[in-house]
Amino acid sequence: DGGITQSPKYLFRKEGQNVTLSCEQNLNHDAMYWYRQDPGQGLRLIYYSQIVNDFQKGDIAEGYSVSREKKESFPLTVTSAQKNPTAFYLCASSTFGGERYNEQFFGPGTRLTVL
Amino acid sequence: SQKIEQNSEALNIQEGKTATLTCNYTNYSPAYLQWYRQDPGRGPVFLLLIRENEKEKRKERLKVTFDTTLKQSLFHITASQPADSATYLCALDASGGSYIPTFGRGTSLIVHP
Repeated sequence: DGGITQSPKYLFRKEGQNVTLSCEQNLNHDAMYWYRQDPGQGLRLIYYSQIVNDFQKGDIAEGYSVSREKKESFPLTVTSAQKNPTAFYLCASSTFGGERYNEQFFGPGTRLTVL
Repeated sequence: SQKIEQNSEALNIQEGKTATLTCNYTNYSPAYLQWYRQDPGRGPVFLLLIRENEKEKRKERLKVTFDTTLKQSLFHITASQPADSATYLCALDASGGSYIPTFGRGTSLIVHP
């Protein structure tokens, strides 16, 4: 089955620690994205990548870092510099180029709690 | 600045009725609008896309309208069922022609049996 996976589903972190969230897709999509969702809020874009070895900051990139070494993988690191990291993190992928009105396919999300 | 507005209050309706959700936007000229469904604790799932030159789009019990004059999209679910209970998000392409959608906060729909 094609899809997008995120792990872990729940993650607990102590203040001052970095933590990495995994995102993998086997949809052969070029573009991948990371969003953050807080209660009652819309999705806010953290980072996105259109192609391997290239990525761009979204609206709220401060305190986060990403890498795109493989087409299938787009891990997100939440650093200790992120002041309020407790949130629900969603990874998504889509095709890119040509028809640009592309639907986004989302993973199941990772809920990060800072203790 | 750009703004997408969806009713923050939950919409409660009886099973079998038509649910209508609203998405308003300001300071945008979107080329398209998308609707997603999100269940609690899960990622959103794409439902429908409508382009700026389309007035209406249908898919099974779902219907979306797009009025660029009113800057509004309406999302209808006919013959609603309790299983339709979820949060529905609208998303527009950002100004400047970016292919990355900008999401509204979503409206919670609760269908009572």
